[in-house]
Amino acid sequence: QKEVEQNSGPLSVPEGAIASLNCTYSDRVSQSFFWYRQYSGKSPELIMSIYSNGDKEDGRFTAQLNKASQYVSLLIRDSQPSDSATYLCAVIVAGGTSYGKLTFGQGTILTVHP
Amino acid sequence: SAVISQKPSRDICQRGTSLTIQCQVDSQVTMMFWYRQQPGQSLTLIATANQGSEATYESGFVIDKFPISRPNLTFSTLTVSNMSPEDSSIYLCSAHRSGGGGAYGYTFGSGTRLTVV
Repeated sequence: QKEVEQNSGPLSVPEGAIASLNCTYSDRVSQSFFWYRQYSGKSPELIMSIYSNGDKEDGRFTAQLNKASQYVSLLIRDSQPSDSATYLCAVIVAGGTSYGKLTFGQGTILTVHP
Repeated sequence: SAVISQKPSRDICQRGTSLTIQCQVDSQVTMMFWYRQQPGQSLTLIATANQGSEATYESGFVIDKFPISRPNLTFSTLTVSNMSPEDSSIYLCSAHRSGGGGAYGYTFGSGTRLTVV
């Protein structure tokens, strides 16, 4: 099983709809969770971080974390064509030799069509 | 979050040669990392650059192939040695500075697009 898995894409949604991106992780001691957006030919850009169970909202973005289910998601409301990008889920394990290192999922390509 | 300058932004190199990529952060950071992103793939961690000591490499990556330096808290280099076409990738530097209240900031450089011919 991969350490971090994202829902297979690509995902296509109409403009104005809600885009839902999902991520599961295998290591129960994981403590920090991040969503990055990567436009083609660009480096990843951090859009959300979440550390506690529940929801965290920032503008049109909501991150949801459920540690019991080892699941983290990202909702994008009122999706815009400019949201079209690859979204990367990343996880940090709290301790041991993996301390401080981001482990990335394979990414989900999102396309928002007008 | 820290601002990272990475150079070169791209290069085309002959097989068998080496390329050194530089990463400069605008402030002192706790940790620096080097990632590789192969075409159409996600990011894979190469190594953690440790200030004042040898880098810590991930499985599948070795120092002879990817020597790393980190002479201070704001600068690191990654060398891709004895290159082959399989090394054609985007190489990314990342920095982490832990802030007050446990805030994290993981920032990426703009990347180096390497093509080996």
